[in-house]
Amino acid sequence: KNQVEQSPQSLIILEGKNCTLQCNYTVSPFSNLRWYKQDTGRGPVSLTIMTFSENTKSNGRYTATLDADTKQSSLHITASQLSDSASYICVVRVGGSQGNLIFGKGTKLSVKP
Amino acid sequence: DTAVSQTPKYLVTQMGNDKSIKCEQNLGHDTMYWYKQDSKKFLKIMFSYNNKELIINETVPNRFSPKSPDKAHLNLHINSLELGDSAVYFCASSRRAGTTNTGELFFGEGSRLTVL
Repeated sequence: KNQVEQSPQSLIILEGKNCTLQCNYTVSPFSNLRWYKQDTGRGPVSLTIMTFSENTKSNGRYTATLDADTKQSSLHITASQLSDSASYICVVRVGGSQGNLIFGKGTKLSVKP
Repeated sequence: DTAVSQTPKYLVTQMGNDKSIKCEQNLGHDTMYWYKQDSKKFLKIMFSYNNKELIINETVPNRFSPKSPDKAHLNLHINSLELGDSAVYFCASSRRAGTTNTGELFFGEGSRLTVL
């Protein structure tokens, strides 16, 4: 069964600290994996996409990794800011013509001053 | 200009009523979606339309009926509203995923439905 599991469910860190969010998937065949950021009261917005051949990709203070062998991805946030407080959702696209999306339940990050 | 816009943003109504949520995208995408986000913040696909044609219809009560008058619009009509329908409904659009397109979803701001 195609599934995406995220951990931790929630996380509280102090401003300026780093953190890492995890995403494990059992999706086959795999097409790509995307991390979305959802601010409170807003729709999710894509942060980065990882394809099968990519190991690491950075977008400012956000760095995503992908290990296709272990089917794991991580999102590392460096020098956190208050504006990083949001839910982070991992979404994996199934390969093939249908291309269904499998959503994780998200990690709620709170950055405190 | 807002890429994906949905109205209304807030909707409070009584059980048994019928209501609609409208969605429009100006990105030129050919695929549009409706998602439901419950109190636990989990996003679940409800419907997906490609070029006005229904391609995904998850297990959703038939009280929910999507209508796509053209590629840029996908409206959601809900009959006989129940308490459990209270949630945030998100419209999204994308280009159909293919060999050169990764199918990034662009979401609207959400419509919070409260059924009393």
